[in-house]
Amino acid sequence: DARVTQTPRHKVTEMGQEVTMRCQPILGHNTVFWYRQTMMQGLELLAYFRNRAPLDDSGMPKDRFSAEMPDATLATLKIQPSEPRDSAVYFCASGPSGGREEFFGPGTRLTVL
Amino acid sequence: AQRVTQPEKLLSVFKGAPVELKCNYSYSGSPELFWYVQYSRQRLQLLLRHISRESIKGFTADLNKGETSFHLKKPFAQEEDSAMYYCALSAGGTSYGKLTFGQGTILTVHP
Repeated sequence: DARVTQTPRHKVTEMGQEVTMRCQPILGHNTVFWYRQTMMQGLELLAYFRNRAPLDDSGMPKDRFSAEMPDATLATLKIQPSEPRDSAVYFCASGPSGGREEFFGPGTRLTVL
Repeated sequence: AQRVTQPEKLLSVFKGAPVELKCNYSYSGSPELFWYVQYSRQRLQLLLRHISRESIKGFTADLNKGETSFHLKKPFAQEEDSAMYYCALSAGGTSYGKLTFGQGTILTVHP
């Protein structure tokens, strides 16, 4: 049963440190999404890619966040430098070509002290 | 632009009671609507989609285009239904393949 995987599952770091989160989409899916989930804001779309090209990253703070897809099997979300307000659960999701459903990963729970 | 509204952040019911989670949307085209569920500390997973017209875990949802709603209903809630529920909309055009999510409703079913 194919699933989206994310690493690490948990990350505790100190303010100012760089954080890199990784996502492996389901093989064959060509659309990848990054979301941030907090109690206050709910689920926010940060960025998404289609065929590895960024389509929309308007939800992402550009000064510290960056998202890339080095290849079709890996998506990364980087925060540099991290701040306590970045503490949240970050979800990756992928979707098939021509499809409308999104398949979510287990999330990375980030705590910035 | 499309928008999804879930007016209730929190919803509490007792086991065996009916439950309805509200979802309203705004979109000028023909949307596809979904309900996703997230159990405690787990990933979001698809619960149901309007085009399937099926009942999953006793839940149903009917798309009402006149009222632009897609409320999720279950006649007899169970404790294991306690979770976060997100309503989501898929638009067409340049947004094809991207979901717009509501803010979510936390459902608690008390014994």
